[in-house]
Amino acid sequence: GNSVTQMEGPVTLSEEAFLTINCTYTATGYPSLFWYVQYPGEGLQLLLKATKADDKGSNKGFEATYRKETTSFHLEKGSVQVSDSAVYFCALRGGTSYGKLTFGQGTILTVHP
Amino acid sequence: EAGVTQFPSHSVIEKGQTVTLRCDPISGHDNLYWYRRVMGKEIKFLLHFVKESKQDESGMPNNRFLAERTGGTYSTLKVQPAELEDSGVYFCASSQPGRSYNEQFFGPGTRLTVL
Repeated sequence: GNSVTQMEGPVTLSEEAFLTINCTYTATGYPSLFWYVQYPGEGLQLLLKATKADDKGSNKGFEATYRKETTSFHLEKGSVQVSDSAVYFCALRGGTSYGKLTFGQGTILTVHP
Repeated sequence: EAGVTQFPSHSVIEKGQTVTLRCDPISGHDNLYWYRRVMGKEIKFLLHFVKESKQDESGMPNNRFLAERTGGTYSTLKVQPAELEDSGVYFCASSQPGRSYNEQFFGPGTRLTVL
């Protein structure tokens, strides 16, 4: 079956530091890949997505590239801000899954001033 | 436009009791999903409604869980009787009609604690 593995956190950074959160997946066929973010007290929000190999998703300074050869979708940001403090979830949607998402375990990010 | 809402935000019950969680999707969204996150682990799919019909309930853990979506609007998820391992955060999501691949919009979740 489908699965997603994220680097374990928590991750603590200083403002303006570089961020990488690793995500690898196992899936049959050609899944779509997503990063969701959950800010304190809120629901999950779609941060970015990629639907085919070599696609790069980007939003709010975050980027992730769909790497089929390494089955990875690592999240990166060049300069984090305090407001980026949240829980980040990597997820995939398989080709025949009727839209259901398979998530990783989440990574807590805390950014200090 | 109102987002996905869930009620209650928190629920604390004792083992053996019954709890009903409610989800109101975004108006016009035919697809409604339930997910659960247990003890800081991954978020797991429970089931998917298309309007009032269950499209996929492969993630429902056992027959103590009953989901309904009468009239194709709001949905309820009942746990009866609740067990300790049911504690976690229950998320609801909805997406536009038609393709199930449309973006899912999530609610803030209901935190359930079973003592």
